[in-house]
Amino acid sequence: GQQVMQIPQYQHVQEGEDFTTYCNSSTTLSNIQWYKQRPGGHPVFLIQLVKSGEVKKQKRLTFQFGEAKKNSSLHITATQTTDVGTYFCAGRDHQAGTALIFGKGTTLSVSS
Amino acid sequence: DGGITQSPKYLFRKEGQNVTLSCEQNLNHDAMYWYRQDPGQGLRLIYYSQIVNDFQKGDIAEGYSVSREKKESFPLTVTSAQKNPTAFYLCASCWDGTMNTEAFFGQGTRLTVV
Repeated sequence: GQQVMQIPQYQHVQEGEDFTTYCNSSTTLSNIQWYKQRPGGHPVFLIQLVKSGEVKKQKRLTFQFGEAKKNSSLHITATQTTDVGTYFCAGRDHQAGTALIFGKGTTLSVSS
Repeated sequence: DGGITQSPKYLFRKEGQNVTLSCEQNLNHDAMYWYRQDPGQGLRLIYYSQIVNDFQKGDIAEGYSVSREKKESFPLTVTSAQKNPTAFYLCASCWDGTMNTEAFFGQGTRLTVV
């Protein structure tokens, strides 16, 4: 079945450093979504990318969707302690239909 | 307030007992999902439902059962057949599972089987 892989699994940075997490799907996706889960919390939707090659920005966060619609990335510029948490990508296979499949997530820790 | 509610937040059960986790949403969403979260494993799909009275197995459905008798409710039963039921369970809903819409998550239920 469809698999969504994310790397790295863990990342520690100093406050002010940049951070990137990568997401790869075994199949072509209809869209890719990104979620953030704070420690002890539940996943919260950040953004959705639909078009091939799409790039979206939210303040210090930049999201990209690959040309083949099989990979994506999330880049955070100048991390802050409030960025701490686990970032998940999730996608729907463009053929198989409707189940939202999540990657294993990247857990970001930030030291000040 | 509109939202998705899971109860209880913490649940303890003895080994061999079935237990049902509640998930209710008042967002008028058609699609609902159950995920299991273990450390380092991300979110793994257990079951999902696109419409009332219909549901499909996810990647790890063995030992679990669901029902979707009402649009608002999607309870998950963890049966005694589930080999390792201790985990954090998350319920989510989407406006329509066939469209490009975001998922809203409940607060989760942490199940501990002793």
